[in-house]
Amino acid sequence: KAGVTQTPRYLIKTRGQQVTLSCSPISGHRSVSWYQQTPGQGLQFLFEYFSETQRNKGNFPGRFSGRQFSNSRSEMNVSTLELGDSALYLCASRLTGRETQYFGPGTRLLVL
Amino acid sequence: DQQVKQNSPSLSVQEGRISILNCDYTNSMFDYFLWYKKYPAEGPTFLISISSIKDKNEDGRFTVFLNKSAKHLSLHIVPSQPGDSAVYFCAASPENQGGKLIFGQGTELSVKP
Repeated sequence: KAGVTQTPRYLIKTRGQQVTLSCSPISGHRSVSWYQQTPGQGLQFLFEYFSETQRNKGNFPGRFSGRQFSNSRSEMNVSTLELGDSALYLCASRLTGRETQYFGPGTRLLVL
Repeated sequence: DQQVKQNSPSLSVQEGRISILNCDYTNSMFDYFLWYKKYPAEGPTFLISISSIKDKNEDGRFTVFLNKSAKHLSLHIVPSQPGDSAVYFCAASPENQGGKLIFGQGTELSVKP
């Protein structure tokens, strides 16, 4: 089976812009979670989607949002980008009822 | 409020010896624990997990031990190999929130030939 894929792999934006990142889960996985990794805060949970519904949300401002489509693919959006949003954004998928999450390679976002 | 802590930022071990990575947690609602291995600019790779109803789980060279009373878990790698050199993250999942993982800060393991 193919693993979790994320696009794009690298992205450069400027402050104030918005960005959309995409994630395709492992085939058959219906739960998708998003994480942010920064040197200062480490790996932090953003939100989880299941069956097109947000099921859980981390402690991030409303500028961070997401959605999930009927084929389980997910997107996350960050509006009004700030310098501090520069990070590695990771997507993970899992089978419903199983706790093990499998991660994609991540999208490296640089905000200038 | 760091609910999952890995107090050792780094660990250096000789090839062939045992590597022991430690993790402490504070939230008694965590019921599932996982270890991931990560290289820079890549996604974490799942290694091994353990449910709170167990105290040990083994998979090849990797063994995870869970001490619920001490809220402590550890990952043992035996024997250590140079290819094991990476950052290791401990993660915990709150009860009934399988899609949410709380991560420790990571421990960088260096296995020297």
